[in-house]
Amino acid sequence: AQSVAQPEDQVNVAEGNPLTVKCTYSVSGNPYLFWYVQYPNRGLQFLLKYITGDNLVKGSYGFEAEFNKSQTSFHLKKPSALVSDSALYFCAVSPISSGSARQLTFGSGTQLTVLP
Amino acid sequence: NAGVTQTPKFRVLKTGQSMTLLCAQDMNHEYMYWYRQDPGMGLRLIHYSVGEGTTAKGEVPDGYNVSRLKKQNFLLGLESAAPSQTSVYFCASSYWGSTDTQYFGPGTRLTVL
Repeated sequence: AQSVAQPEDQVNVAEGNPLTVKCTYSVSGNPYLFWYVQYPNRGLQFLLKYITGDNLVKGSYGFEAEFNKSQTSFHLKKPSALVSDSALYFCAVSPISSGSARQLTFGSGTQLTVLP
Repeated sequence: NAGVTQTPKFRVLKTGQSMTLLCAQDMNHEYMYWYRQDPGMGLRLIHYSVGEGTTAKGEVPDGYNVSRLKKQNFLLGLESAAPSQTSVYFCASSYWGSTDTQYFGPGTRLTVL
């Protein structure tokens, strides 16, 4: 069975500084990897995904993530944080071999707070 | 396009009562999903559907039933609510399966007393 670990419940960063939200995964075979963001009292919104190809994936709002197969990681990054980036971030994984199951497994989430 | 909508937004039930949550999408998506979100546990899949008339169990299906009679609607039912079902419920949809972006509704906050 697949699993996702987000080792930090909370990440604080000063506005203008780079940010990193960590994600590691466990899956049989090759993974599909996603990052979603949740603002207060809202549903999740898609940020970016890795399917295949270039290990560096660029997404919405200036975010990017790097797929590292040897370390089974997919960390989310942004060069310069904004206060408006403060939200709950979820990493998710699906194995390529999931067939018709098409199930995503989500991490427990990381609360990002950007301090002005 | 409204995207994915959920009805109701909030609900309070007493133990043993039943209710149905409605999810509707106007994007012509084949796949629809019901998740529950609990603090510190992320989202867990309850049931999903790969097309009209089909449903399948997810990670935590016990105590819930679903139906997909129309392509645009996915209903989640609680036959006899329990306090353990207090949660925030999210519906999502996608055109394809695991490679495709899922679009989420705004959620339903359910409290079972």
